[in-house]
Amino acid sequence: GAVVSQHPSWVICKSGTSVKIECRSLDFQATTMFWYRQFPKQSLMLMATSNEGSKATYEQGVEKDKFLINHASLTLSTLTVTSAHPEDSSFYICSARVPTGAISYEQYFGPGTRLTVT
Amino acid sequence: QKEVEQNSGPLSVPEGAIASLNCTYSDRGSQSFFWYRQYSGKSPELIMSIYSNGDKEDGRFTAQLNKASQYVSLLIRDSQPSDSATYLCAVTLYRGQAGTALIFGKGTTLSVSS
Repeated sequence: GAVVSQHPSWVICKSGTSVKIECRSLDFQATTMFWYRQFPKQSLMLMATSNEGSKATYEQGVEKDKFLINHASLTLSTLTVTSAHPEDSSFYICSARVPTGAISYEQYFGPGTRLTVT
Repeated sequence: QKEVEQNSGPLSVPEGAIASLNCTYSDRGSQSFFWYRQYSGKSPELIMSIYSNGDKEDGRFTAQLNKASQYVSLLIRDSQPSDSATYLCAVTLYRGQAGTALIFGKGTTLSVSS
C-alpha cells in the first residue's frame, strides 16, 4: 500500500501556543488529503479535506481559524492547531487518497500525532 | 440515523476460529467500502476494500457486500491472537458540495484468545 508519514509523532505544548503537524505522501502524489481526530475509545472524526492548491473544506463544527490547513504541494499537507487548549488534546491522523480505478480509490493513513496540551 | 453502524463488541473468539464482523450503512448511494484494523494507540491500517456485491477474499480475510441490504461484513478465518484489535468499517459518503468523504463506524473490538 501507499506510505503516508506524519511528523511529529507526539507533541506536548502549553496552552495558548500553536502546533504544526506535517503529513507527507512518500511514494505517490496526493491531490487530496484528509485530517481526522480521534479521542480515546471513540471513532475517527473527519475534521477537514485538504486539496492541493486550494482552500480546505472543513466539517461542520470544526473551527477553520483554529485548525489551519495548508496543502501547498502534492506530497505535503500541514495542520496547525492555533492557540491550543487542553480540550484540543487528541490523536490527529492524516490520510491520503490513492486512485485504484476510474472512480474508485483507497485511503491510507499516516501513523498519527498525539497532541497533549498542558 | 447514524451513517455507519457497528457492534462495539467485544467479540471474543478462540484461536483458530472464524471471526465475523458486521457493519450497516445508511446511504444507498455509497459506492466504496473498506475495513481497517486499528491496534491500540496506532492509526488505522487498510486491510480490505470492496466495491461490488458479493465476496472478496484476501488471504484469511473475506469481505462481503450486499448493497440492497446496505450491509458489509468481514470474516477472519483461522483467527490469531495478533488479530486482536479494533476493526473499523468505513464507507464513502457523497455530500454534494462538500465532496466525497470516508466515514467510519465506531469499530468492533475483537479479542482472540490462545
